[in-house]
Amino acid sequence: TQLLEQSPQFLSIQEGENLTVYCNSSSVFSSLQWYRQEPGEGPVLLVTVVTGGEVKKLKRLTFQFGDARKDSSLHITAAQPGDTGLYLCAGVNAGNMLTFGGGTRLMVKP
Amino acid sequence: DTAVSQTPKYLVTQMGNDKSIKCEQNLGHDTMYWYKQDSKKFLKIMFSYNNKELIINETVPNRFSPKSPDKAHLNLHINSLELGDSAVYFCASSQDRGDYGYTFGSGTRLTVV
Repeated sequence: TQLLEQSPQFLSIQEGENLTVYCNSSSVFSSLQWYRQEPGEGPVLLVTVVTGGEVKKLKRLTFQFGDARKDSSLHITAAQPGDTGLYLCAGVNAGNMLTFGGGTRLMVKP
Repeated sequence: DTAVSQTPKYLVTQMGNDKSIKCEQNLGHDTMYWYKQDSKKFLKIMFSYNNKELIINETVPNRFSPKSPDKAHLNLHINSLELGDSAVYFCASSQDRGDYGYTFGSGTRLTVV
């Protein structure tokens, strides 16, 4: 059983559509982070949220941290083929190490 | 001027061999990590290390050992390699416990034959 559950695991959509990826846990995190990983590369940090209820926007990407600091979501507006990749949520917990969810593989078709 | 660099990028070796993967960071971070990514892309923490404390994930076999010659380096040594050790290994670093993000290397793909 993973500490962080991501859904959906796979998502294939057409260019221009909107999508939301969810990251849920029963644990409280001091920090919730989203990464994107391209094939053959390491994860690259997109955003960090640390305050319950916090919302951050990065161009067409909107990240939200749940009020109880146990869950988060990533919303992409008007997806583009360049958004294709593996999206990973990760949380820093009491053990002071970053624990990852299982990832969401997104494919955006032109 | 790569922030976190790992070598080698690819490593193919026979069962039973001993191998090392090197990692260096030039970000001035005080904490470094090793992660293992399996074939299903799940990233699992193996070690966390700073100049004060080594934290080992209890599920990691003792054939794996981190070695840190200084604050900017954390190498991974693996003894008696097994087929199940085949995976991609990532080095990462952060400031303190990483509440504001980790920086990852580009990974080492280890294949044990």
